[in-house]
Amino acid sequence: SQTIHQWPATLVQPVGSPLSLECTVEGTSNPNLYWYRQAAGRGLQLLFYSVGIGQISSEVPQNLSASRPQDRQFILSSKKLLLSDSSFYLCAWSKVTGGYGYTFGSGTRLTVV
Amino acid sequence: SQELEQSPQSLIVQEGKNLTINCTSSKTLYGLYWYKQKYGEGLIFLMMLQKGGEEKSHEKITAKLDEKKQQSSLHITASQPSHAGIYLCGADRRNAGNMLTFGGGTRLMVKP
Repeated sequence: SQTIHQWPATLVQPVGSPLSLECTVEGTSNPNLYWYRQAAGRGLQLLFYSVGIGQISSEVPQNLSASRPQDRQFILSSKKLLLSDSSFYLCAWSKVTGGYGYTFGSGTRLTVV
Repeated sequence: SQELEQSPQSLIVQEGKNLTINCTSSKTLYGLYWYKQKYGEGLIFLMMLQKGGEEKSHEKITAKLDEKKQQSSLHITASQPSHAGIYLCGADRRNAGNMLTFGGGTRLMVKP
């Protein structure tokens, strides 16, 4: 069966420090991968999606970037965190063919201080 | 602009009461997904609806998609504290990447 792992679960970082959140998927190949952000328990904002290795599309200009170095690995990064980057970040995957919705990771609570 | 509108934004009900959450789209929905989220956790898939008039149930939760495929409702019968959380609807955008657009969520509290 397919599983998705996201870590760390919580993270407290100072302003101006770098960020690296990692997400890996098991049990499937060539998944579509997504990074979402959720503010204050509300709706989800799509940040990045990837349909293949090295293929990254950005939905919203951010202080953030994403990379997909391997088929089932998706990384969210920042060179210098801002206070406004504090949020709940969720990784998700879906089948390439679509129509099956997403499976989400457990999320990372990022607090920038 | 927000493509999916959820209502209400928050809801407090007494245990045992029924409730309904709505999700409305300005465009035809190719696929409508309902998720539940407990605070600080990932989203758990509940149900997917694709056909106009479709209705699915799981335990005490029923989801419907209207005939025009622009509105969906999630109905919980005899609510329990375990139903508390945030409910989100997501719509298939049928584009590259098979992205889902999500509504703003409905925060449900069930008072024992």
